[in-house]
Amino acid sequence: EAAVTQSPRNKVAVTGGKVTLSCNQTNNHNNMYWYRQDTGHGLRLIHYSYGAGSTEKGDIPDGYKASRPSQENFSLILELATPSQTSVYFCASGDPRNNQAPLFGEGTRLSVL
Amino acid sequence: AQSVTQPDARVTVSEGASLQLRCKYSYSGTPYLFWYVQYPRQGLQLLLKYYSGDPVVQGVNGFEAEFSKSNSSFHLRKASVHWSDSAVYFCVLSAGSSGSWQLIFGSGTQLTVMP
Repeated sequence: EAAVTQSPRNKVAVTGGKVTLSCNQTNNHNNMYWYRQDTGHGLRLIHYSYGAGSTEKGDIPDGYKASRPSQENFSLILELATPSQTSVYFCASGDPRNNQAPLFGEGTRLSVL
Repeated sequence: AQSVTQPDARVTVSEGASLQLRCKYSYSGTPYLFWYVQYPRQGLQLLLKYYSGDPVVQGVNGFEAEFSKSNSSFHLRKASVHWSDSAVYFCVLSAGSSGSWQLIFGSGTQLTVMP
């Protein structure tokens, strides 16, 4: 069954620490996305990827890096976490050419203290 | 530039009433359009999708949407809402080509169904 799996589901980090959020998809989708969702802002695009080895900046990339080492995996990296990065992060994958609607993970709740 | 507008941030209806959530898009190419629902503390779940063909598409749980190219709209409808439909609804546009696709989100509509 097609799925997008995020880990961890919940994370508490300290200011200045490094945080890695992982996303795995079993859908063979080329496109993967990282969003953050905050009250009053909807979903905002951080980084996205068109395939293994590619990463592109989204609308709010500052303070984040991304890595797409394979078709299945797409990571979001916070090298120096700050309290302003406390949020819920969603990963998605999609490939509209094959009539496959984007699928979303369940989200990662990150608190930076 | 492509964009999606959901003009109603909040909609309140009574249980059993009909529902329409509005969505307008701006995109010069062929749009792929979706409606997603998000329940509290959960991810986004697909309600329905439109790629081409019949402008009225059926989704899960009695939802349907109608695509209008002339109006650049993709409104979501339901004939009779249930209290469990209370959630946030997002209209999403997939835009791009040759395997490179971006997802453009509307700001979402918070639906509250009153008993």
